[in-house]
Amino acid sequence: GDSVTQMEGPVTLSEEAFLTINCTYTATGYPSLFWYVQYPGEGLQLLLKATKADDKGSNKGFEATYRKETTSFHLEKGSVQVSDSAVYFCALSDLQGAQKLVFGQGTRLTINP
Amino acid sequence: DAGVIQSPRHEVTEMGQEVTLRCKPISGHNSLFWYRQTMMRGLELLIYFNNNVPIDDSGMPEDRFSAKMPNASFSTLKIQPSEPRDSAVYFCASRRGRTYEQYFGPGTRLTVT
Repeated sequence: GDSVTQMEGPVTLSEEAFLTINCTYTATGYPSLFWYVQYPGEGLQLLLKATKADDKGSNKGFEATYRKETTSFHLEKGSVQVSDSAVYFCALSDLQGAQKLVFGQGTRLTINP
Repeated sequence: DAGVIQSPRHEVTEMGQEVTLRCKPISGHNSLFWYRQTMMRGLELLIYFNNNVPIDDSGMPEDRFSAKMPNASFSTLKIQPSEPRDSAVYFCASRRGRTYEQYFGPGTRLTVT
């Protein structure tokens, strides 16, 4: 079945560092891809999405490009802030029925001032 | 506009007791999802509803778990009897139509002692 694999955390960076969180997927066909963020004590929020190959999703300085050839959707940010500390989830939507989301295991990010 | 509302936010109960978690989706959304989040297993989809009808409950762990959606503005997830391994954060999410974005509630942290 469909699956998502993220780089293991936790990831700890200093403020203004460059961030990359790797995400690869296995799916039949060409699913839509997402990054969700979970701040402490809150539910998940959609951060960005891409619905077809070579699309780039972006939001709040974060970017991710849908790479069909490498089945990847890596999350990047050029200069992180302390407020970016959270857990980040990569996900894909299956293409059948109600298009359920399949999540990766999550990557905990901590930014130190 | 109010987001997804879940209650209670925290629940502590003893093994063998019945637990009922509640969710109010965003008005106008017609798909509702129940997830469970644990450190060991990550984020798991338990069941989802479309137009108040359960579509896929393959993620429900066992018969002790049941979910209902009597109308478009309310859903419950019940565990009877509860066990310590049910301890987790339970999230409810809703979505409008077949768009991909799911909106998550803040979650209910369940502890079974």
